Amino acid sequence: GENVEQHPSTLSVQEGDSAVIKCTYSDSASNYFPWYKQELGKGPQLIIDIRSNVGEKKDQRIAVTLNKTAKHFSLHITETQPEDSAVYFCAASRYNTDKLIFGTGTRLQVFP
Amino acid sequence: GAGVSQSPSNKVTEKGKDVELRCDPISGHTALYWYRQSLGQGLEFLIYFQGNSAPDKSGLPSDRFSAERTGGSVSTLTIQRTQQEDSAVYLCASSQQGGNTIYFGEGSWLTVV
Repeated sequence: GENVEQHPSTLSVQEGDSAVIKCTYSDSASNYFPWYKQELGKGPQLIIDIRSNVGEKKDQRIAVTLNKTAKHFSLHITETQPEDSAVYFCAASRYNTDKLIFGTGTRLQVFP
Repeated sequence: GAGVSQSPSNKVTEKGKDVELRCDPISGHTALYWYRQSLGQGLEFLIYFQGNSAPDKSGLPSDRFSAERTGGSVSTLTIQRTQQEDSAVYLCASSQQGGNTIYFGEGSWLTVV
């Protein structure tokens, strides 16, 4: 089955700096890769996703890149703000089956 | 409209007791998922319902865990003879058919004492 690895487990940055979180996956049939943000005491919320027919997608300060050959994808947050502090999870699934397999999460802290 | 609704939000139970956790998905969503998140850990897949198809139960950790989905809407996750290691947040999620975005509820925090 699918296995998703995520790095780093913790990341501390200064406000205004960029943050990058990386994930690798094992199932070459996976073709949907969402990223979720989880704040303390809340459920995960989707922030951006990418499908295998594109290599990059951007939404304001957030971007995701996908390298299907290498089976890895990354989340990039630019101009970080304190409210970006949260745990971020990557995930992968086969489009048709929808079962998401999650990475182990990255705790991002943005210091003012 | 309303998001995914879960109840109870918090549950403390004694070891050996049975518990039921309820999930009300977003109206019209045919797919429903249960995940478990232990303290400070990632999300562990438990079970997945899609329409009238047989559920994918491949993530259930033991036969003490079961789930049903009545009428294609509300789902109940049941844990029998609870153990301390069952303590976790149980997250429910739903999506429309066809691989669309998956939306999570706020979770049910279970503590077994």
